Amino acid sequence: DAGVTQSPTHLIKTRGQQVTLRCSPKSGHDTVSWYQQALGQGPQFIFQYYEEEERQRGNFPDRFSGHQFPNYSSELNVNALLLGDSALYLCASSLGQGVTGELFFGEGSRLTVL
Amino acid sequence: GDSVTQMEGPVTLSEEAFLTINCTYTATGYPSLFWYVQYPGEGLQLLLKATKADDKGSNKGFEATYRKETTSFHLEKGSVQVSDSAVYFCALSDVNRDDKIIFGKGTRLHILP
Repeated sequence: DAGVTQSPTHLIKTRGQQVTLRCSPKSGHDTVSWYQQALGQGPQFIFQYYEEEERQRGNFPDRFSGHQFPNYSSELNVNALLLGDSALYLCASSLGQGVTGELFFGEGSRLTVL
Repeated sequence: GDSVTQMEGPVTLSEEAFLTINCTYTATGYPSLFWYVQYPGEGLQLLLKATKADDKGSNKGFEATYRKETTSFHLEKGSVQVSDSAVYFCALSDVNRDDKIIFGKGTRLHILP
């Protein structure tokens, strides 16, 4: 049973560029959440997708956008990259609309912005 | 807003020592509380949880009790092992308000053989 998979695992971009990160949820899960984890910090909630719609959003600018596909996989897009966007981006999947803490996390995509 | 504060690391202990990692929270509602663990090279995984006051979560020898009067959820283990070396995150979620999980900054634990 495949868990949550994310790609790419590492990438380097320059300021002003755009990036797309991808996530496939755990088999049977239909909800995907994205988190940003800066170095030495805990994960910060970006947004959550359910039934192909953004259900909730954290305190992140509109440069951060996402999408969920009919197969429940998801993408995170970040435009006009800033140095401060350098972080580990985590995807987490769960089942249903409510979160009971049973999130399953991928290993993350580490983004470096130069 | 809601927040989680946990003791700063790194915490270094010898094998078989007693472990406590302190965690306190601030919340306007009645959150559920969690401990997540991140082993080297792996993704975050749920270690234990408690959904209401006085509940005790436990898993793999770790325990934490939801203390509403002290707004705390301290993680404890009676005898740690080298394989417990990891980063531990305390977290909360108010599922009656929204679904997001709020994490603490994490505590890195090193266990020496």
